[in-house]
Amino acid sequence: AQKITQTQPGMFVQEKEAVTLDCTYDTSDPSYGLFWYKQPSSGEMIFLIYQGSYDQQNATEGRYSLNFQKARKSANLVISASQLGDSAMYFCAMREARDSSYKLIFGSGTRLLVRP
Amino acid sequence: GAGVSQSPSNKVTEKGKDVELRCDPISGHTALYWYRQSLGQGLEFLIYFQGNSAPDKSGLPSDRFSAERTGGSVSTLTIQRTQQEDSAVYLCASSGSYRGRSYEQYFGPGTRLTVT
Repeated sequence: AQKITQTQPGMFVQEKEAVTLDCTYDTSDPSYGLFWYKQPSSGEMIFLIYQGSYDQQNATEGRYSLNFQKARKSANLVISASQLGDSAMYFCAMREARDSSYKLIFGSGTRLLVRP
Repeated sequence: GAGVSQSPSNKVTEKGKDVELRCDPISGHTALYWYRQSLGQGLEFLIYFQGNSAPDKSGLPSDRFSAERTGGSVSTLTIQRTQQEDSAVYLCASSGSYRGRSYEQYFGPGTRLTVT
C-alpha cells in the first residue's frame, strides 16, 4: 500500500493567489514526521516545512503552512500569495519513528505552475 | 557553511560498465542517505549510513548496487554492470543536528546517470 499519496500530478495557480497541495499518508506508527520539499527545475531538493505527529499546532514557515488533519491522515501544504518562483515539483514525505534509519518515504509529487 | 556536494553532476556510461558516484555530506553529520529519482517520479530510498556502518540497505535494488562510507564522511555508491533501467538521478542527503533542526535531511544536487 502507498504510504504517501499525492493525487494531483499537476496544478495551476494564478500569481498572488493561494494554493493547496494535497497529501495523505498511511502509517500505524503513532510517532511520525511529515515533510514537504520543493524541487525546482534545477533539481535540488529544498526543505519547506515539517510537522510532527504530536505537534498540537499546524506548522507554518513564512508563506508555507501545513494543514495537518491527523484523524484524516492528511497533511496538505498551503502556499499563500503564490509567486512565479514557486513553480516547481512539490513532494510530501514521511518519516516513521519506529524506523531507526529515519529514512524518508516520498510521494510521487505535484507539479505546480504559477501563472502571471 | 558548505552543503552536501555530489560528483559528478552528470555521468553518461555504456551499458555493462561500472560507475561510482560520490557524496560529501555536511561536516559533522553522522547520518547519510542515498535516494534514487527516476524520471518524473518521487524519490526512492536506497541505503542509510550511520557513521561508517550501513544498518539499512533495504532499498538497494540488486546486488549490482553497493555503497561504502569512510571516515564517517564521504560516501561512494557503486553500480556494477550498469543497465538502462539504472538511468536516474541519484541524490545524497545527510542529517544531524544542524541549525538547530535535528534529523532534517539536507540534500545534495544529485548525479544524473544516463546508461546508453
